[in-house]
Amino acid sequence: GAVVSQHPSRVICKSGTSVKIECRSLDFQATTMFWYRQFPKQSLMLMATSNEGSKATYEQGVEKDKFLINHASLTLSTLTVTSAHPEDSSFYICSARMTREVGELFFGEGSRLTVL
Amino acid sequence: AQSVSQHNHHVILSEAASLELGCNYSYGGTVNLFWYVQYPGQHLQLLLKYFSGDPLVKGIKGFEAEFIKSKFSFNLRKPSVQWSDTAEYFCAVNAGGYNKLIFGAGTRLAVHP
Repeated sequence: GAVVSQHPSRVICKSGTSVKIECRSLDFQATTMFWYRQFPKQSLMLMATSNEGSKATYEQGVEKDKFLINHASLTLSTLTVTSAHPEDSSFYICSARMTREVGELFFGEGSRLTVL
Repeated sequence: AQSVSQHNHHVILSEAASLELGCNYSYGGTVNLFWYVQYPGQHLQLLLKYFSGDPLVKGIKGFEAEFIKSKFSFNLRKPSVQWSDTAEYFCAVNAGGYNKLIFGAGTRLAVHP
């Protein structure tokens, strides 16, 4: 199956700093990527949808200035948490799809962010 | 708005027991339905999906799910679970015209030997 890789898998940072998480599709071109956030013992909450070469579409309640998403190429999307605070600590998961239409999502391993 | 409801948050079974995990969604139009599984320490992976056709869908590892349109349901089943099925299971729905998957809260399954 298609492989999606996230990096880093774990990151600890100080409050006020910015953190970048990368999501790469290793063996396919991802026209659409999604960023999810998973709280402990809860479901995945969709944060934003990004299509290659376009601005990301953010879900209601997600601050686009805080969670910067860039999908500059067909194999790479990045999520930057700007001026991170302890409440941003969470598990961030990216997923990718080969087409813009409905289809199977391939998920990355997730990145655990801890903000001190 | 679309929503997905998984009735069981935690399920504990013994090996060889039968499994059924409930999933209901709220959308009246065309839907595409998925079940994903997350094994401990691993990333989410697809178990099975329904787009159209036969409402009884067979997936990997002996899992199946039945789409019942009148009940807005897509329950996951397995006749005989194994210890290796211990994982978290997520139901997800994509309603017609929407470019995103909405996930249920997940069900944690623990299978005891």
